[in-house]
Amino acid sequence: DAKTTQPPSMDCAEGRAANLPCNHSTISGNEYVYWYRQIHSQGPQYIIHGLKNNETNEMASLIITEDRKSSTLILPHATLRDTAVYYCIVSQYNQGGKLIFGQGTELSVKP
Amino acid sequence: GAVVSQHPSWVICKSGTSVKIECRSLDFQATTMFWYRQFPKQSLMLMATSNEGSKATYEQGVEKDKFLINHASLTLSTLTVTSAHPEDSSFYICSARKEEQYFGPGTRLTVT
Repeated sequence: DAKTTQPPSMDCAEGRAANLPCNHSTISGNEYVYWYRQIHSQGPQYIIHGLKNNETNEMASLIITEDRKSSTLILPHATLRDTAVYYCIVSQYNQGGKLIFGQGTELSVKP
Repeated sequence: GAVVSQHPSWVICKSGTSVKIECRSLDFQATTMFWYRQFPKQSLMLMATSNEGSKATYEQGVEKDKFLINHASLTLSTLTVTSAHPEDSSFYICSARKEEQYFGPGTRLTVT
């Protein structure tokens, strides 16, 4: 599985958009980009995933660059409850692969 | 979404004893479940992949005789920490495969 690089921490003001970057320059053609988040002392929560097209759901938007070497998770209107560690994972999970977690980005949403 | 539960949510045991943690998929069947361990301030580390009706596949460095995994049904996988020691104290999290991977709430194990 390809390795990902994320900033260790970010701050965001409540009500503003949170843009979390992820670099995955060694991603292969059949690997998807997955985003999970983990609120303190809980199990991770699935957010969104994509292959090459941008994706949007009720939680977030995922923007993947055309060369697929990086992506951005966007939380459009961050709330205090979005404070968590966000993990970007590249995987062939849909083909039976595993999810290997990196260090993630600790997002702090401040009032 | 899909719901995965774990039991117990926390457990304290004495050194040398064994502890069993259950992971259940409540509203779907999962032929594959995963077990992770997480130490404070660290990321999740995949320990093993559990497949219903067959032996678990352990990640490199994980002792299969110490961490016994049983996946006897499509909704239940168990992790038994045998002869637990204080260094086994950790947050153990399971997940189950569906279209995405759904995680349980975790089990906090403290070995005294």
